[in-house]
Amino acid sequence: NAGVTQTPKFQVLKTGQSMTLQCAQDMNHEYMSWYRQDPGMGLRLIHYSVGAGITDQGEVPNGYNVSRSTTEDFPLRLLSAAPSQTSVYFCASKIRGGNYEQYFGPGTRLTVT
Amino acid sequence: TQLLEQSPQFLSIQEGENLTVYCNSSSVFSSLQWYRQEPGEGPVLLVTVVTGGEVKKLKRLTFQFGDARKDSSLHITAAQPGDTGLYLCAGASTNAGKSTFGDGTTLTVKP
Repeated sequence: NAGVTQTPKFQVLKTGQSMTLQCAQDMNHEYMSWYRQDPGMGLRLIHYSVGAGITDQGEVPNGYNVSRSTTEDFPLRLLSAAPSQTSVYFCASKIRGGNYEQYFGPGTRLTVT
Repeated sequence: TQLLEQSPQFLSIQEGENLTVYCNSSSVFSSLQWYRQEPGEGPVLLVTVVTGGEVKKLKRLTFQFGDARKDSSLHITAAQPGDTGLYLCAGASTNAGKSTFGDGTTLTVKP
């Protein structure tokens, strides 16, 4: 099993550009989530999904869109990038229910100039 | 909003020393996880604690969940350079539907 995979590893965008961060998991996990990590601020939840076709907002959803058409994939879209979105983005997955033990991808480091 | 406070924020010690990291909240959690993250990588799950007062050991790491399930601690005995990393705690409650992460403790163990 590859676990949780994320692409790209690094990305530089100019203000106003759009892009999609890809996330896939091969563990048949129903729950997937996106976090951003900024220095000294831990992990903050952007959006999450409890299954295909179901998504919900986390604590910092503004500027980001998600959709979940399959169990395996959970892409994160930035419609118009802003410098405040410079961060490291992590995707995670877990089984439905359980004790919230999440498996994380390797992250995407995004810089917006 | 459930908040988790971790202390200390930074810790630098010599190899062989002992240390304790704390994770505190005013909220009750149904479970609490500890993760370790190395530079350039995603967090990796170390342990989950569920029952108030529970103690779990993972080699030289000892994890404890508070009796009221509002706080937790991580104790490392005889720290080694390989223990260096960012330690994150995360709490979850069943009705919240998601986890809340603390800001982390950055540990550096010098040889």
